[in-house]
Amino acid sequence: DAGITQSPRHKVTETGTPVTLRCHQTENHRYMYWYRQDPGHGLRLIHYSYGVKDTDKGEVSDGYSVSRSKTEDFLLTLESATSSQTSVYFCAIGQGREVETQYFGPGTRLLVL
Amino acid sequence: GQQVMQIPQYQHVQEGEDFTTYCNSSTTLSNIQWYKQRPGGHPVFLIQLVKSGEVKKQKRLTFQFGEAKKNSSLHITATQTTDVGTYFCAGPQGGKLIFGQGTELSVKP
Repeated sequence: DAGITQSPRHKVTETGTPVTLRCHQTENHRYMYWYRQDPGHGLRLIHYSYGVKDTDKGEVSDGYSVSRSKTEDFLLTLESATSSQTSVYFCAIGQGREVETQYFGPGTRLLVL
Repeated sequence: GQQVMQIPQYQHVQEGEDFTTYCNSSTTLSNIQWYKQRPGGHPVFLIQLVKSGEVKKQKRLTFQFGEAKKNSSLHITATQTTDVGTYFCAGPQGGKLIFGQGTELSVKP
């Protein structure tokens, strides 16, 4: 597996609290992605980054923000968590070219009560 | 925007039976990728198809890319319990991948 780690791996939080998830890579890939996975919806892109300080929105970006201050780290922040954000969150990395595949981290299970 | 649809959503088979999942894109794709996610795990890349009409095999798995490069299929011959999981297709779009909803395969021994 590619060198991708996510932290925390599990988190339980309360509605209204801020939450930050971290993705760390050792592969020096330019692109990094945050997905959420929910039953019946597959993998939906939240935000992605195509370089340090360069980010863009995905299809389900409302309620989420991201930051990338270093090539190896991509942070996903839920400013004020809601129950609808209970999900499994995956980070992925890639070179961003059309023929390149993505490599996924182990995921973070987030429960918002 | 580009959409990738996958059917069926669920498939339950008896061990030894065959299984097929189908993927359709609303636009022509430069390539199609397939991923497998084991229960409790993360998606793992299986294969990429690039050419129109391309067929690739990995042991009991056969992948096809349609002539129009808008559809694809994954066929598993004689399923085994190790095949359980969710299979996703994905098409590239501007540095991103658009994933289908996935087909969850369960195999009864």
